[in-house]
Amino acid sequence: EIVLTQSPGTLSLSPGERVTLSCRASQSVPSSSLAWYQQTPGQAPRLLMFGAAIRATGIPDRFSGSGSGTDFTLSISRLEPEDFAVYYCQQYGSSPITFGQGTRLEVK
Amino acid sequence: QEQLVESGGGLVKPGGSLRLSCAVSGFTFSNFYMSWIRQTPGKGLEWISYVSSSGSPVFYADSVKGRFTISRDNAKNSVYLQMDNLSPDDTAIYYCARDRGDVIFDLWGQGTLVTVSS
Repeated sequence: EIVLTQSPGTLSLSPGERVTLSCRASQSVPSSSLAWYQQTPGQAPRLLMFGAAIRATGIPDRFSGSGSGTDFTLSISRLEPEDFAVYYCQQYGSSPITFGQGTRLEVK
Repeated sequence: QEQLVESGGGLVKPGGSLRLSCAVSGFTFSNFYMSWIRQTPGKGLEWISYVSSSGSPVFYADSVKGRFTISRDNAKNSVYLQMDNLSPDDTAIYYCARDRGDVIFDLWGQGTLVTVSS
């Protein structure tokens, strides 16, 4: 099973700042089969990225993803108030599908 | 609009059973694989099962294999999760989710809470 470790656990930032979140896999993720989700309180997760770097439909271009192998990142170029949420990575290249434990973005 | 609505959660005693339902609208249900994913504060998000667009094949996580059964009715635009022999470890919010392909979940329901407690 591929274990995904996200860091840091919590980040305190201000609107307008840039942020980079990390997702590290315990073994190589085949074909960069990595997705990112955003979850706000009381809501279901929302797909942001897949294929490590492809934005899902309707996701603004301030979100970008990169990485391959075992190291992946999600960047938000300029934080908007609605971006303060929990972010999860998920690998789908190896069975079983696994998720990271999440990184919480909070307002400083 | 595209929507998934789960129902059937609740409080059940250890060893008991529950059947979750997920009603789908706004898209051609029969074209998509569907999954159930659960979330707990302690273990986070855990994929537990998926069903192909036709109803077979199906797959399960080891943690629920032999206890949970996923099924779908394309005529009713619904997917189901029969959960038997429940334990407190199964306490979670259960989401149904649409698979856009390659087990990437592009649409989620609002979730239904299952609590297993005596």
